[in-house]
Amino acid sequence: SQTIHQWPATLVQPVGSPLSLECTVEGTSNPNLYWYRQAAGRGLQLLFYSVGIGQISSEVPQNLSASRPQDRQFILSSKKLLLSDSGFYLCAWSVGGRNSPLHFGNGTRLTVT
Amino acid sequence: QQQVKQSPQSLIVQKGGISIINCAYENTAFDYFPWYQQFPGKGPALLIAIRPDVSEKKEGRFTISFNKSAKQFSLHIMDSQPGDSATYFCAASFNKFYFGSGTKLNVKP
Repeated sequence: SQTIHQWPATLVQPVGSPLSLECTVEGTSNPNLYWYRQAAGRGLQLLFYSVGIGQISSEVPQNLSASRPQDRQFILSSKKLLLSDSGFYLCAWSVGGRNSPLHFGNGTRLTVT
Repeated sequence: QQQVKQSPQSLIVQKGGISIINCAYENTAFDYFPWYQQFPGKGPALLIAIRPDVSEKKEGRFTISFNKSAKQFSLHIMDSQPGDSATYFCAASFNKFYFGSGTKLNVKP
């Protein structure tokens, strides 16, 4: 069966520091990978998605970037964090056609101080 | 523009009651409508999903009702239990997923 791992679970970082969140998927090949952000009490905002190694699409212009160095690895990065980057970051995967269901990891709670 | 509108924002239901959460959409190109359940500190988990060629789908105590002409769909939780207390998100998809803003359900024992 497929599983998705996200780490770390929680992170407190000062403003201006770099960020690296990692996500890996097991049990499937060539998944579509996604990064979402969830603000407190809000819905899910798509940040980036990837359909293959090195292929990244950005949905929202911002202080973040994403990379996919391996088939089942997705990384969310920032060179300098802003206070507004605080939130709950979720990685997700899907396989198959365009309307295949999304499967989420357990997220990273990021607090920028 | 919000593609999927979800209501209510919060809901309190007594144990054994029926919980109903509603969503509306505008884009008639949407052709996949999932519901997700999220517990605090966890990622959303797929609960049930429907495609617009059917009007209802039932899985255990969870039912999706779909009204294509009204561009609305809803989640019904029958015999609601305290363990159902969570935030529920509807979504609609056509190449890309659009999520509702979520409904926080509290089932009182």
